Parts: sequence; C-alpha cells; structure tokens
Amino acid sequence: DAGITQSPRHKVTETGTPVTLRCHQTENHRYMYWYRQDPGHGLRLIHYSYGVKDTDKGEVSDGYSVSRSKTEDFLLTLESATSSQTSVYFCAISESGPRGTEAFFGQGTRLTVV
Amino acid sequence: TQLLEQSPQFLSIQEGENLTVYCNSSSVFSSLQWYRQEPGEGPVLLVTVVTGGEVKKLKRLTFQFGDARKDSSLHITAAQPGDTGLYLCAGAGVNTDKLIFGTGTRLQVFP
Repeated sequence: DAGITQSPRHKVTETGTPVTLRCHQTENHRYMYWYRQDPGHGLRLIHYSYGVKDTDKGEVSDGYSVSRSKTEDFLLTLESATSSQTSVYFCAISESGPRGTEAFFGQGTRLTVV
Repeated sequence: TQLLEQSPQFLSIQEGENLTVYCNSSSVFSSLQWYRQEPGEGPVLLVTVVTGGEVKKLKRLTFQFGDARKDSSLHITAAQPGDTGLYLCAGAGVNTDKLIFGTGTRLQVFP
C-alpha cells in the first residue's frame, strides 16, 4: 500500500471555526491532491500541488486554502467552516502527474460542520 | 471547466448479467483512468487508457477510450457480487495537471 495518511479521520466542528486537515506521504511523490466527495458528485478537486510551495486551484476551491512547505505534507484549511463543507475529504498522491500515472488515495477524513 | 459525466448513476443487476458504464465529456483528455471505490476506502485504480480508440481488457472488464479522447466506457461481462462498488472515471487534461473525476456509477450486483 502507498504510504499516505490522512489526519484526523473524523472531525466534528462548529460553523465559523477554522479547520486544518493533514495529508502525509512517505512516497516522495511530487503531486498531491485534495478532493471532496459528496453523494451524486463523485470526487471534486479542491486544490492540488505539483511541488513544494507550488499549488493551484481545483474546481471547488472557494472557502479552502492549502499549503505545502515540505514534499511529504499537504495541508487543507477551511478558514471558517460552513455546513456546506460537511463532506468526506480525500487526499491523493501521484508520482509524475495525472497523465498515465496512478493516483493513490488516503482513507479519507469525514468532516461534519454543525 | 472540464466535466466528466457518468451514466448511469446507479445500476442494480443480478449476478451473471452484463453491463456498460459510460463516461462522457465535451473536453479532450490526454488520458483517462477508471477507479473502483469500496465503502470507507479511497478509490483504487483499475486501468489507464491513453490512446484514442484504445481497448484494454482486465479479466471480465473491458475499457475503451473514445477515438476523440472525450469519452470512455467500461463493460463488465457476467457480473459478480464482488464487482459491487462505486466506479469512477478520471481524466487528465491536455494542458493542466488537474486530475478530474467523473460523477460516479454505483453498481450493486445481487447473487
């Protein structure tokens, strides 16, 4: 199994509070992705990174920010959580990008905003 | 914005039946992948197709990439209960590092 760990695995937070989710990899892969998964929407890309300090927005980036100060860690921050951000969040890593290389996924973080 | 639409959204069949899942877009993709996801887990790669018109077989699963690289299909022959899961297509854009996922097809195979 690819060495990818998400933390926490479950979190309940109140509306308006900041939340940070962590993705840690031991594979030294260049690319890292954050997705959210909601019924009927598959996986939607929030942000991704193609190297240390190199990040870009995905399809649903509003309300989220990311940081990657080290190859192994990719942090997703909800600056002020809202109920619409209740979801399951997945981190993925890829050695050389999306063209033809496999993306490996973490086990997900279930976030509930009350 | 690149979108991948999958159909059907849900599929419930009996063991032994055949089925096809479709993944369509108006955008061109440089490659397309199919993943399967089981409850409580992250998606796992099944196959990658790169060339327009390419067909790949994985035991009872047949994957095809459209000639124009805008669509793909997954055909399962003689489905088994072990095939149950969420099937996701994912495309790599031509000039982007984004990996875009489809809306998903949830397959239930009954014994």
